[in-house]
Amino acid sequence: DAGITQSPRHKVTETGTPVTLRCHQTENHRYMYWYRQDPGHGLRLIHYSYGVKDTDKGEVSDGYSVSRSKTEDFLLTLESATSSQTSVYFCATAGTARNTIYFGEGSWLTVV
Amino acid sequence: EDKVVQSPLSLVVHEGDTVTLNCSYEVTNFRSLLWYKQEKKAPTFLFMLTSSGIEKKSGRLSSILDKKELFSILNITATQTGDSAVYLCAVEETSGSRLTFGEGTQLTVNP
Repeated sequence: DAGITQSPRHKVTETGTPVTLRCHQTENHRYMYWYRQDPGHGLRLIHYSYGVKDTDKGEVSDGYSVSRSKTEDFLLTLESATSSQTSVYFCATAGTARNTIYFGEGSWLTVV
Repeated sequence: EDKVVQSPLSLVVHEGDTVTLNCSYEVTNFRSLLWYKQEKKAPTFLFMLTSSGIEKKSGRLSSILDKKELFSILNITATQTGDSAVYLCAVEETSGSRLTFGEGTQLTVNP
């Protein structure tokens, strides 16, 4: 357990609305990640961060943006939610040594 | 593009059986291979492998990496119903500090 808290844990929203998911960690880990998990696709990287204000795109970044203004918080924003973004979103963190990567409990997002 | 392929995608066994899960990968700058177990929620870490031929072991679970043939196996002996889960394999590259996951193997252990 790496002290990762995701919020909200569950959300239903309408198409076209903005949504922000928050990941908060208490371990002072340098690396933070946002993944989405869908049947038939496994876990796919959306965006990741390797330090405050340092972020980069993953393999499925279209329609998503991120921000990391503090070490402990990594925000994922859907500017205008679409039904294809209905998914389970996992935040993950890793320390500088990257000896292991810890996952949060997941955020279930439904876009109707 | 990095790629991780797991097989089988689904496996149903009886308690007490031994199972072998496979993970093959293609990655440009390999750093490590990780195995995770996922039940209803977040994946939980099992093993990290960085060197070929060195078996990692934890109870009834063990894993080994072959960097020449680009694959890893996860063995579970004397399976129990509590081993039912999705087992995820991921590879980490040296640059970019990110993981690429396979689709996972859904293991079901029946009593």
